[in-house]
Amino acid sequence: DSGVTQTPKHLITATGQRVTLRCSPRSGDLSVYWYQQSLDQGLQFLIQYYNGEERAKGNILERFSAQQFPDLHSELNLSSLELGDSALYFCASSVATSGTGELFFGEGSRLTVL
Amino acid sequence: AQSVAQPEDQVNVAEGNPLTVKCTYSVSGNPYLFWYVQYPNRGLQFLLKYITGDNLVKGSYGFEAEFNKSQTSFHLKKPSALVSDSALYFCAVRDINTNAGKSTFGDGTTLTVKP
Repeated sequence: DSGVTQTPKHLITATGQRVTLRCSPRSGDLSVYWYQQSLDQGLQFLIQYYNGEERAKGNILERFSAQQFPDLHSELNLSSLELGDSALYFCASSVATSGTGELFFGEGSRLTVL
Repeated sequence: AQSVAQPEDQVNVAEGNPLTVKCTYSVSGNPYLFWYVQYPNRGLQFLLKYITGDNLVKGSYGFEAEFNKSQTSFHLKKPSALVSDSALYFCAVRDINTNAGKSTFGDGTTLTVKP
């Protein structure tokens, strides 16, 4: 158990809909990262937050947004969903943003868009 | 920009034999390097990392990796493979010069250890 909690584990929805994925980091970790894992594109970095502030942005679509709340949990919002958004979405956390710390991953949220 | 290459999609070894999973990287500055393992329907788990110091790094479950700066490689090794080592392995890199902790992952290598 990594200590990172993600909900929901599975989500099935239709094109055009909006979903919210939730992540609770390990106790004491200030950095939260979101990654998308799909068969054709591997593990893609989406966005990072550190103590409530956006720190780095990757290949995140404009239809997607995220935030980190004062209690350090994070939410990833996916809107106007398309079939290609079907993927496994991982949240990870680390103690700091210095780069030396390893990431602790949650079990992921599997999104299926029909 | 930073990038990672794992040249082999699949590695097959017999139980008890040594295993190597290859990784090469590209960064503008000095790298932080990581290996993670993913079992089916699970999240990634940290195995080991190279930050600085000794080029040979030892990690969980008997795995080790050797940092080679001249070849820009960080290959994962284990002297004697177990069937339970069968999983998907990811190499990741961070550029020491970036402010953010963003890690770039390779495409992964599926390791199959046969009895």
